[in-house]
Amino acid sequence: KNQVEQSPQSLIILEGKNCTLQCNYTVSPFSNLRWYKQDTGRGPVSLTIMTFSENTKSNGRYTATLDADTKQSSLHITASQLSDSASYICVVTSGGYNKLIFGAGTRLAVHP
Amino acid sequence: NAGVTQTPKFRVLKTGQSMTLLCAQDMNHEYMYWYRQDPGMGLRLIHYSVGEGTTAKGEVPDGYNVSRLKKQNFLLGLESAAPSQTSVYFCASSYNRNQPQHFGDGTRLSIL
Repeated sequence: KNQVEQSPQSLIILEGKNCTLQCNYTVSPFSNLRWYKQDTGRGPVSLTIMTFSENTKSNGRYTATLDADTKQSSLHITASQLSDSASYICVVTSGGYNKLIFGAGTRLAVHP
Repeated sequence: NAGVTQTPKFRVLKTGQSMTLLCAQDMNHEYMYWYRQDPGMGLRLIHYSVGEGTTAKGEVPDGYNVSRLKKQNFLLGLESAAPSQTSVYFCASSYNRNQPQHFGDGTRLSIL
C-alpha cells in the first residue's frame, strides 16, 4: 500500500534553533517528492520538489534531502523564525497526475 | 494575481442539503484539483481535471460531483450533504502534472 509517514507529529523549538523533519514513504513507482508549508487557516504552499536523481534542494533556510534507496526524506530548517510555525507536509507523487500521496504533516511551533 | 480563490470560506449545512463550492484560478493552469483535509490525515483527492471540459475521479469521489465548463473555474457539488462530509475543502491548480500545485485557502464546511 502506498503510504507517506511523517515524524514527529509535532515539535516545539526555540527561535533561532535548527530542526529536522522526517518523511518515510512506501510509494511505487516513485515520480517526485514535495514538501509543502501550511500556515494555520491557509492552503499549503510549495517549498521544494525533488526527482529521483536529486538528493538535496534548498529554498532559503529550508533544505530538503532525499535518499531514494532508503525511501526517506528530511526537511531541515536553519535559524528558525516565529513565522516558521506551521504544518509541514511531505507529498510523494507516483506515476500519473492523480497519484499524489500526502503525509499527515508535522506541526512545528517556534517559540520566542 | 489572485492565484486560486475559493468561495465560500465557511458554510454550515443541514443533512440532505446541496451546495456548490467554487474555485477560480487566474494563472491559466490546465490542471485543477479538489481535496479534502480531515484532522490527523493527509489531504485526499476527490476529483481532478486536466483541462476544460474534462473531469476524473480521485481517491474519495463518492457523494461529490464536479464540472469544468471554463478553464479558470472548477466547481465541486455536494448533492445530498452528510455529516461525514464535514471537512476543509481545498482547491489547487497546476500548469502540468510535474509542476507544484497552487492551493486556495480552503472552504470550511460543517454538516449538521
